[in-house]
Order: sequence, then structure tokens, then C-alpha cells
Amino acid sequence: AQSVTQPDIHITVSEGASLELRCNYSYGATPYLFWYVQSPGQGLQLLLKYFSGDTLVQGIKGFEAEFKRSQSSFNLRKPSVHWSDAAEYFCAVGADTGGFKTIFGAGTRLFVKA
Amino acid sequence: DGGITQSPKYLFRKEGQNVTLSCEQNLNHDAMYWYRQDPGQGLRLIYYSQIVNDFQKGDIAEGYSVSREKKESFPLTVTSAQKNPTAFYLCASSQPGLDHEQFFGPGTRLTVL
Repeated sequence: AQSVTQPDIHITVSEGASLELRCNYSYGATPYLFWYVQSPGQGLQLLLKYFSGDTLVQGIKGFEAEFKRSQSSFNLRKPSVHWSDAAEYFCAVGADTGGFKTIFGAGTRLFVKA
Repeated sequence: DGGITQSPKYLFRKEGQNVTLSCEQNLNHDAMYWYRQDPGQGLRLIYYSQIVNDFQKGDIAEGYSVSREKKESFPLTVTSAQKNPTAFYLCASSQPGLDHEQFFGPGTRLTVL
């Protein structure tokens, strides 16, 4: 069965510092991998996705993620964080098992300090 | 503008009452989903529908019901059998063949008094 682990419940970074949010997944084959962002009280917005090809994926808002099959990881990175990046971030893994299902991690809340 | 709408944004209900949450999309997507979100638990799948007039239970379907009579609509009923219904509910849609990206509505916060 698919599963997703986001080891960090919350992370605090200074504005202008770099960011890396961790995500590990469990799935037998190459999954579809996603990162979503959620502002408080809002729905989720897709940042980026991976299902094949180049393992370094570029997304919106200056985010990128790297798929590492050997480590079953799909970590999200941003070189310089802005105060507006404060939000909750969800990693998700999807697979077509007789109907496509997406499993979400528990989320990592990002705090940005001035 | 294409997107997903959910109404109402806030909903209060007394214990023992059923309540229906609305979800409408104009993206022409075949698949629609309902998730429940609780603090620290991410999103959990309640029900999903791959096509009109068909739907499947997700991981936490007990105490919920859905219908999919029209492609654009996927209402969720929270019944009195749901033991702990206070939560944030999110509706999403996707189109197979578009990398399974899900588009989310703004959510409905349900509070049981």
C-alpha cells in the first residue's frame, strides 16, 4: 500500500534563508508524486508534480523538488524563503490501482521569521 | 473562470442532524473526491467518484454518504452516525490523463454543537 511520511511537523526559517521540506514515500512502483501548499482556512494548491523524466522538478513560486528513487524521497526546496511562503505543505503520492488514489502526508507547517 | 466551489464556508449543526455539503466544478473533470482534514492528520479520503453515477468508499467512509448524479456535482452528506464530524472538509476534482493533479475547492468548516 502507498504511504507518505513527512518527518517534520513544523519548521521555522528566517526570511531569505534556504528551505528543505522532507518527504519519504512507500510504493512498489514509480508513483506519481506531488507537493501541495495550503494557506490557513483555504484549499490546497499544487506546487509541482513528478511522474517520469527529469528527477529535478521545477514548480511555481520558485520551488523545486528532487525525486530520489534510492532513498524513496521527494524533498521540496526553495533557495530563498519569503514571508508569504508561510503555510502548510503537503507531500502526496498517487497510484493507479484500479482507480486513481492519492495519499497525503500529515503536512509540515512552515513559519517564517523576519 | 474554471474552478471548484464549496458551500457553505462555515456550517454549524446540532448533534443528531444530517447535513449536506455542496461541491460543484466547472472544469469538466470526470473524477471528484471528498477529504476530511483534522489538525496534524493531513487529508483523509472519504469518498471518490471516477465517473457519473458511480462512487467508491475511501478510507473513512463510515457515517458519510455521497451521490454523483451530474458530472459537475458531488454533494457529501454527513449523517448523525458520524461520531466526530467537526472538521474541515475539502472537495477536489481531477481528470485522468492530466497527470492526476487534483484541483481543490476552498473547503467547508463544519462544527457540531
